[in-house]
Amino acid sequence: EDQVTQSPEALRLQEGESSSLNCSYTVSGLRGLFWYRQDPGKGPEFLFTLYSAGEEKEKERLKATLTKKESFLHITAPKPEDSATYLCAVHRGFQKLVFGTGTRLLVSP
Amino acid sequence: SAVISQKPSRDICQRGTSLTIQCQVDSQVTMMFWYRQQPGQSLTLIATANQGSEATYESGFVIDKFPISRPNLTFSTLTVSNMSPEDSSIYLCSALEETQYFGPGTRLLVL
Repeated sequence: EDQVTQSPEALRLQEGESSSLNCSYTVSGLRGLFWYRQDPGKGPEFLFTLYSAGEEKEKERLKATLTKKESFLHITAPKPEDSATYLCAVHRGFQKLVFGTGTRLLVSP
Repeated sequence: SAVISQKPSRDICQRGTSLTIQCQVDSQVTMMFWYRQQPGQSLTLIATANQGSEATYESGFVIDKFPISRPNLTFSTLTVSNMSPEDSSIYLCSALEETQYFGPGTRLLVL
């Protein structure tokens, strides 16, 4: 059965304190790994798609990397506006996504 | 990227009633999906809304409880039927356009 596990469940950082979020997965035939950001009361906002081990993508202070068993979302010098829940999902065929439970990030000024 | 809107944004309903949620996309898309996000949990796929044919439901979800329509390539509805408090959740519509984009969600509270 396809599974996605995210850690930590919650993370509190000081502004400027870099860190990484983890997403480990088990899926038969990965067709893509997705990162989304979800703000309270809103739908998930697309960040990145990664397709193969070794692939990396960057957007502002965020960088996503992928290995054969996990993905990391690195946050460099975060700001309070980066506070959100970050969701990881794997594509298991027919465009169906299996989501992890997310990491709630709080960045304090 | 596709812009997706949902109506209503939130509702409070009585046990035993039904609610229909609308999802509108600003462009024609090949695939649309409905997800549920229960309090403190992640997103779970309910079904794929197929244009011109019956929706494809995931394990644990049935058409009688969650009937879905998709009359064209930009619009879909999800009905939550005969509601109970366990149906209290956020219901999210998504559309596939290069990647999956999500609507803002409908927050449903069943009393």
